[in-house]
This record gives sequence, structure tokens and C-alpha cells, in this order.
Amino acid sequence: EAEVAQSPRYKITEKSQAVAFWCDPISGHATLYWYRQILGQGPELLVQFQDESVVDDSQLPKDRFSAERLKGVDSTLKIQPAELGDSAMYLCASSRDSMTQYFGPGTRLLVL
Amino acid sequence: TQLLEQSPQFLSIQEGENLTVYCNSSSVFSSLQWYRQEPGEGPVLLVTVVTGGEVKKLKRLTFQFGDARKDSSLHITAAQPGDTGLYLCAGDYSWGKLQFGAGTQVVVTP
Repeated sequence: EAEVAQSPRYKITEKSQAVAFWCDPISGHATLYWYRQILGQGPELLVQFQDESVVDDSQLPKDRFSAERLKGVDSTLKIQPAELGDSAMYLCASSRDSMTQYFGPGTRLLVL
Repeated sequence: TQLLEQSPQFLSIQEGENLTVYCNSSSVFSSLQWYRQEPGEGPVLLVTVVTGGEVKKLKRLTFQFGDARKDSSLHITAAQPGDTGLYLCAGDYSWGKLQFGAGTQVVVTP
């Protein structure tokens, strides 16, 4: 069964450093989502792509966060510089029909 | 922001007991999804309910969507330790955009 792949699974960094997360969606899924999940809360949408285009990035802190999906397949989410409050689980999801989203295992980020 | 409130926040029961988790909002959703999330993993979709009043059963799990499509419940019959996890509801408020609740942590002890 096809799955959404994410790497790394865990990342520890110091504040003010740059970090990057990678996501490979299920083949054929045009829509890709990045979420942030703070401990004890549900996931919150950061950015949504349709193919290579950003559909919604209204909740993305653009002063430090950036996301790209250059060829409409895999995607990278970057934080520069990282802050203590960025510690969270970063989840990627993909969808073929916008009704069902399939989540990857996530990247757990700890900023020291 | 379309808020989804889940209750209770935490539920601890013995194996064999029944439990119900609630998801409530003042907003109408085109559909509502339930996920289960294990520690350190991403959420896994359990079910999607679309029609007001809809009831779906998945083995020992029963999902209900409110008539007004603002609330939902998840009922587990004869819970097993394997049912332990974080249960999340998520409402579709705009063409696949999901608003998640904060989740209900369920612990089933043998």
C-alpha cells in the first residue's frame, strides 16, 4: 500500500539555525498539505499545494517559513531561523480528490 | 476559524468497557472525518461522514454525524488495548481544508 514518506523523522536543532523537512506524497496525488501539530493539540494547516502551485498559505509564518513543490511531486518545508516555539510535529499529507487526506509519519522537531 | 471542540480530553477505561467521544462545533461542515493517531506517528483515517444523520459502523466502532452536520460522535463497544490512541475529529470547511479538534486521548488497560 502506497504511503506518504517524510524525512527526517526526528530533528534537534538550536534556535536561530535553519531546518528543512522533506515530503514525498503518494504517487498521483495532486494535492499536498503541510501541518504543524503542537503537543496536546490537533494538526493546524500551514500550506496547501495543488500540483506545484500554492493554494493556501494564509497560516504560514512567512517571515521564517517557506515551502516549495517545484515539480509538483515532492515538497520541502524550511524554517529559518528556528525559534523555541517551533518545536512540534510537522506532518505532510496528500490527497487525490481533496476528500481523503493520507498523512505521513511526521517529523518531530525540537528546538533548543 | 471554525472551532471543533472534542470531549472528553482524556478517557481511561478497562478492557471490555464502552466509550463515547464527542466532537462539537457551531459551524456546518460538508463532511467530518475521524482519525486515530499513535505516539510519534501521523493520523490514520478511520472514517468520513458526509450526510446529516449518517451512521457508519467499522467493526466495534460506530460513528454518527449530527443532523445539522455540526457535531459527531464516536462510540467504541467492548474496547480493547489496541484501541488506545489519540482520536481526532476534523471538519471539512472548504474543499478539503480540514479544521481539527484537539483530540481525545483514550487509554484502554487490560
